[in-house]
Amino acid sequence: GENVEQHPSTLSVQEGDSAVIKCTYSDSASNYFPWYKQELGKRPQLIIDIRSNVGEKKDQRIAVTLNKTAKHFSLHITETQPEDSAVYFCAASRGRGSQGNLIFGKGTKLSVKP
Amino acid sequence: GAGVSQSPSNKVTEKGKDVELRCDPISGHTALYWYRQSLGQGLEFLIYFQGNSAPDKSGLPSDRFSAERTGGSVSTLTIQRTQQEDSAVYLCASSLQRAGETQYFGPGTRLLVL
Repeated sequence: GENVEQHPSTLSVQEGDSAVIKCTYSDSASNYFPWYKQELGKRPQLIIDIRSNVGEKKDQRIAVTLNKTAKHFSLHITETQPEDSAVYFCAASRGRGSQGNLIFGKGTKLSVKP
Repeated sequence: GAGVSQSPSNKVTEKGKDVELRCDPISGHTALYWYRQSLGQGLEFLIYFQGNSAPDKSGLPSDRFSAERTGGSVSTLTIQRTQQEDSAVYLCASSLQRAGETQYFGPGTRLLVL
């Protein structure tokens, strides 16, 4: 089955710097890759996603890139702010049928220091 | 409209007791998922429903865990003869039609087995 590895497990940056979180997946049939942000004690919330027919997607300060050949995808946050501090999870899915459930990485705890 | 809701928000039980956790998905969402999140850990997939059927039960950790969904809406996750290692936050999510679409999470049920 699918396996998703996420690095780093913790990341500390200064406010205004960029943060990059990387994930690799094992199932070449995976075609949907969402990123979730989970603040302390809150539910995970989707921040951005990408499908395998696209190499990059951007939404304001957040961007995701996908390399299907290498089977890895990354989250980029620019001009980080203290409110970006949270745990970020990547996930992968085949996107259909009984094998469409999300397989999550173990998360990255991002701390943005003012 | 209303988001995914779960009840109870917190549950404390004694080892060996049975517990039932409830999930109300977003109205009209046919796909429903259960995940488990242990303290400081990632999200572990448990089971996926499409309508009332469960095409993927592969994540259920033991036969003490079961889930059902009736009327294509509310789902109940039941844990029989609870063990201390069952202590975790149980998260429910729903998506519009099928796997591979955006999943919206509920606030979770925090289960503590004493």
